[in-house]
Formats: sequence, C-alpha cells, structure tokens
Amino acid sequence: AQRVTQPEKLLSVFKGAPVELKCNYSYSGSPELFWYVQYSRQRLQLLLRHISRESIKGFTADLNKGETSFHLKKPFAQEEDSTMYYCALSQGSNYKLTFGKGTLLTVNP
Amino acid sequence: DVKVTQSSRYLVKRTGEKVFLECVQDMDHENMFWYRQDPGLGLRLIYFSYDVKMKEKGDIPEGYSVSREKKERFSLILESASTNQTSMYLCASSLVAGWAYEQYFGPGTRLTVT
Repeated sequence: AQRVTQPEKLLSVFKGAPVELKCNYSYSGSPELFWYVQYSRQRLQLLLRHISRESIKGFTADLNKGETSFHLKKPFAQEEDSTMYYCALSQGSNYKLTFGKGTLLTVNP
Repeated sequence: DVKVTQSSRYLVKRTGEKVFLECVQDMDHENMFWYRQDPGLGLRLIYFSYDVKMKEKGDIPEGYSVSREKKERFSLILESASTNQTSMYLCASSLVAGWAYEQYFGPGTRLTVT
C-alpha cells in the first residue's frame, strides 16, 4: 500500500534562512507527487506538483526515485510562508490522493 | 475559477443524530472526494466518487455513507453521529484528465458532535 511520511510535525526557521520540508513515500509503481498548502483562513490548495517542475512562491521540489523522496525547498524563507504543508501521492491513473500528516512551518522574524 | 462549496462552515450535532454534509462544485468535475482532517493525522479519505451514482470507499469509511445523485453534488452522511466523528470535513473535486490531477477543495465544515 502507498504511504507518505512527513517526519517533522513542526519546523521552525528564521526569516531569510533556507528551509526544507521533508517528504518520503512508499509506492511500487510510478508516483505522482504534490505539495498542498493551507494558509490561515483559506482552503487547502495545490502548491506544486512534480510533473510540472515549476517554482511557486520560490518553492521547488524534486522527485528522487532512488531515495523515494519529494522534499520541498526554499532558499530564503519568508514570514508569510508560515503555515501547514501537506505532501501527497497519487498512483498514476488512480485519482486518489494519499496525504502525509503535514508539517507546520514557522518562520520567525 | 473553480468553486467548491460546502453547506455549512460550522455544525453542532448530538450523538445519535443523522448528519448530512453537502458539497457542490461548479466545474463539471467527474471526481469528488470527502476527507476528514484531524491534527496530527493529516487528511484521510472517507469516500470518493468518480461518476454519478458511483462511489468507492476510502481509507476510513466506517460510520459514513455517501450519495451522488447529480454530477455537481456529493453528500456525506453520518447515519448515527458519534463523538469520535468530531472533526473538520473537507470536500474536493477533480477532473479525470491524465496524470497529476489537481484536487480543488472546499472551505471545510467543522463538525462537533456532543
């Protein structure tokens, strides 16, 4: 069965510091991976997906199939990045998403 | 602009009551989903539907049922609410179109069962 692990429930960094939110997955096939974000008083929304290889709000994530990881990175954290982040896995043609338990990022001034 | 709406933002019900949570999407999406979101547990899939009158169990379907009579509407039903069903419930929808489907979420319904 597929599984998504976000090992850090809480992550705290200072403004301007690099940040990396970890995500590891287990799945035997060809995965599709996503990062979703939930800003305060807003609905859960897609931040980025691995297949598009884009940078959103300065965040990037690279799929590493050898390490089965999809870590979210940003070189210089901003205070407005403070929120909850969820990593999610989709099984290719199966449209279900399996979510990790989330990491709450706090960026201190 | 994709819009997923949920009938209530906050709901308080008593143990044993039958509870209906309604979700409507206006983007003609085939897939619709119900999740519950709990601190420390993330999002867990309760049920999903890939077409009208079609449904499949997710990871935690016990104590829940669903109904999808129209493409745009997906209802979650708690047949006999219990206190352990106190949670935030999120509805989502997505297209069936190749890989990397984005799911669009509603604002959530915070249900308290007393």
